[in-house]
Amino acid sequence: GAGVSQSPRYKVTKRGQDVALRCDPISGHVSLYWYRQALGQGPEFLTYFNYEAQQDKSGLPNDRFSAERPEGSISTLTIQRTEQRDSAMYRCASSLASGANTGELFFGEGSRLTVL
Amino acid sequence: QKEVEQNSGPLSVPEGAIASLNCTYSDRGSQSFFWYRQYSGKSPELIMFIYSNGDKEDGRFTAQLNKASQYVSLLIRDSQPSDSATYLCAALNRDDKIIFGKGTRLHILP
Repeated sequence: GAGVSQSPRYKVTKRGQDVALRCDPISGHVSLYWYRQALGQGPEFLTYFNYEAQQDKSGLPNDRFSAERPEGSISTLTIQRTEQRDSAMYRCASSLASGANTGELFFGEGSRLTVL
Repeated sequence: QKEVEQNSGPLSVPEGAIASLNCTYSDRGSQSFFWYRQYSGKSPELIMFIYSNGDKEDGRFTAQLNKASQYVSLLIRDSQPSDSATYLCAALNRDDKIIFGKGTRLHILP
């Protein structure tokens, strides 16, 4: 597609349910980042991939959060046993290059998660 | 200490004046620095990036980097009401992670 696509755009779930958020990056982009953004705050780093390899997951809040990018393209962020504090906008971004050559991050529209 | 720090604002600037946005970072191994603009309810979009000490100009925007002081700034000349947004400073750190500050809200007064 022309841009980074995220789905679902909105997700309302009950506490304790699992959710999966999907990101389809721009074709050919090497790096894929996941961020969480609370209202009035900047994007908070969660994890990132180069191709299919997860390079850093230090920003994942706890072991209920996981992410994968099995074929180096689409990525899924999974939150198990959701809690109300997980409510936020989850943003995915991709970049054509990685490492020191990292340039512009292209962001998707985000997935807004609400946990009741 | 946050890795990338910004004053949250709001910063109010009269139309036509220069808006000055500042950012500091803690990781001396950071390599590249970015300024993103985020309109309310929208996704961040890149305005400028800089990786060498000094100034970099693009139209009405000038990014400044001082690695010795670990300081990055963005100047917006001839501010327009359409410049009203949140400006996010970001750094590519030594671990190749792109870390964002919490953003500065800029309000251009007509």
